[in-house]
Amino acid sequence: EVQLVESGGGLVQPGGSLTLSCEVSGLNVGNNYMNWVRQAPGKGLEWVSVIYRNGDTFHADSVRGRFTISRLSSQNTLYFQLNSLRIEDTAVYFCTAMLSGADHYYAMDVWGQGTTVTVSS
Amino acid sequence: DIQMTQSPSSLSAFVGDTVTITCRTSQSIGTYLHWYQLKPGKAPKLLIYGASGFLREVPSRFTGSGSGTEFTLTIGGLQPEDFATYYCQHTYRTPPWTFGQGTTVEIK
Repeated sequence: EVQLVESGGGLVQPGGSLTLSCEVSGLNVGNNYMNWVRQAPGKGLEWVSVIYRNGDTFHADSVRGRFTISRLSSQNTLYFQLNSLRIEDTAVYFCTAMLSGADHYYAMDVWGQGTTVTVSS
Repeated sequence: DIQMTQSPSSLSAFVGDTVTITCRTSQSIGTYLHWYQLKPGKAPKLLIYGASGFLREVPSRFTGSGSGTEFTLTIGGLQPEDFATYYCQHTYRTPPWTFGQGTTVEIK
């Protein structure tokens, strides 16, 4: 069974930093497209970042230059480094896997439960 | 960037009703369109991939259709567990892979 378990969320002041982790089991983090998606309080889902199998990364305009997605295959873990945090970054952050790849048109087949980031002074 | 327009933003329906949610994109995306269900406190769940792709674990009352720029999700015979928020998302070419604004399905 594939499982994604996020951790690392918490309360941080504006301008601060946080590192989110997504521990992966049942699939190889280096062989799949992995994403971070967030949901701010009372708002909809927002795609934030992806890392491709070949290591290429893409980020939403709202976080580019501040957030960085990475992975450590030896730990089978996905990471999300959040720097220069703003109040509007407050959200639940979900780790997702595009497990079936092109067969499912790169849909997000598997989701974690999420970890909450609160940016407040 | 591709813009997503999902409608309605909310709807009320009875158990047993058939409901339809629409998603329109600002440019043609073939069938790179997916539907997700979100319930409070739970992980989002993929319902339909590739506009109309079925998943074994998803009830057959959930069906998707469309291609190009217009897509629909139909729930045929609402069940109590279907009251939730639904999102469309495209994954056409390079990111950003935008979500629709969401549709909340409430009990009438």
